Amino acid sequence: AQSVTQLGSHVSVSEGALVLLRCNYSSSVPPYLFWYVQYPNQGLQLLLKYTTGATLVKGINGFEAEFKKSETSFHLTKPSAHMSDAAEYFCAVSGAFRDKLIFGTGTRLQVFP
Amino acid sequence: DADVTQTPRNRITKTGKRIMLECSQTKGHDRMYWYRQDPGLGLRLIYYSFDVKDINKGEISDGYSVSRQAQAKFSLSLESAIPNQTALYFCATSAVRGAYNEQFFGPGTRLTVL
Repeated sequence: AQSVTQLGSHVSVSEGALVLLRCNYSSSVPPYLFWYVQYPNQGLQLLLKYTTGATLVKGINGFEAEFKKSETSFHLTKPSAHMSDAAEYFCAVSGAFRDKLIFGTGTRLQVFP
Repeated sequence: DADVTQTPRNRITKTGKRIMLECSQTKGHDRMYWYRQDPGLGLRLIYYSFDVKDINKGEISDGYSVSRQAQAKFSLSLESAIPNQTALYFCATSAVRGAYNEQFFGPGTRLTVL
């Protein structure tokens, strides 16, 4: 069965610090994995995705994620947080029949000056 | 102009009322989805549609119905709204081929049931 676990519902960092948001998945087929960001009062926007090929995926706004099959993980990182990164982040895995996305419960990122 | 639009953006209604949330898209995608978002629960799939004649229940379809009026339009109805349907509702679209299920989201409708 397809599922996603996001560790930590809230993460706080200082501006300029490393951002690490954790995502572990379960998938009965080779996974397609996604990170979405939701800014306040907005819909979800795709940050990056992993489908096949290179396991280190770069996305928008300086974010990247590494697919680690052995650890069933797809953690999101950014070397230096900016105030504008404050948002909620969702990890998702594609359904086994590639028909839908299964989302994690989200991680709210706070960035302090 | 936004590719995926939702109307209304905000709605307050009373228990027992019928409510319709509408979604339109100009992306030309065949697949459309309705989700609800609740704090701490993430996004949960209500219904999804692969074309006008193909409607599927998601994980939380009870109390909801949908209509796919055209490729570009997908409506969600609450026949008799109840307070625990108070949530943020999102519509999303996806292409069929080569898209790996990447979905594009509307801005959301905030629904409050009193």
